[in-house]
Amino acid sequence: QVQLVQSGDEVKMPGASVKVSCKASGYIFSEYYIHWVRLAPGQGLEWMGRVHPNNNGDKSFAQRFQGRVTMTCDTSITTAYMELSGLTADDTATYYCARNRIPVPGKYMDVWGKGTTVTVSP
Amino acid sequence: DIVMTQSALSLPVTPGEPASISCRSSQSLLNRNGYTYLDWYRQKPGQSPQLLIYLGSNRASGVPDRFSGSGSGTDFTLEISRVEAEDAGIYYCVQALQIPLTFGGGTKVEIK
Repeated sequence: QVQLVQSGDEVKMPGASVKVSCKASGYIFSEYYIHWVRLAPGQGLEWMGRVHPNNNGDKSFAQRFQGRVTMTCDTSITTAYMELSGLTADDTATYYCARNRIPVPGKYMDVWGKGTTVTVSP
Repeated sequence: DIVMTQSALSLPVTPGEPASISCRSSQSLLNRNGYTYLDWYRQKPGQSPQLLIYLGSNRASGVPDRFSGSGSGTDFTLEISRVEAEDAGIYYCVQALQIPLTFGGGTKVEIK
């Protein structure tokens, strides 16, 4: 079945980096963008960015993460990665990957990973 | 960035009764291709978000037909014709017309 399996929860020190993986299976990896969305405690969903699996140059980010986030894909193992650097307490959140079909109208995300909780604490 | 506003933070609903969630965007979400780039998701506690409605009014696969999306331009509504206990959760609208995608603040549906 179609699924996105994310890596395990992480605890990081302020200033550190975290790299979250998202393993895709059950579909043609190259036919869907991978998006990253986070949910911080007490907050709403926040879109971070997206990456094209076949073209790591085709990516877009929310301005607030520019320069701090890296999104890549390894098509040989159908896995997407999101790395966030310069972590602060405000980055404590659950991070989700989700897919969106290429090229169809819209950017709706029909399959989501279960989430990776990143806790930033000294 | 396009600002998405869900005016109701919380919506208490009675099982069997209808429910309506509103969402407003700071600019029209009508694309030149004729599609409206507005989607709805629900997130239950401890679960991932689930796509309910895409492109304004299309139900996602497996979503019960008691859910419907409507609206145009800048004003949108998600309706549940007859609420069931399993419908509890936080509902988000999101605009996908422009990067960055932006979510509304969410409306928490609480079952009475």
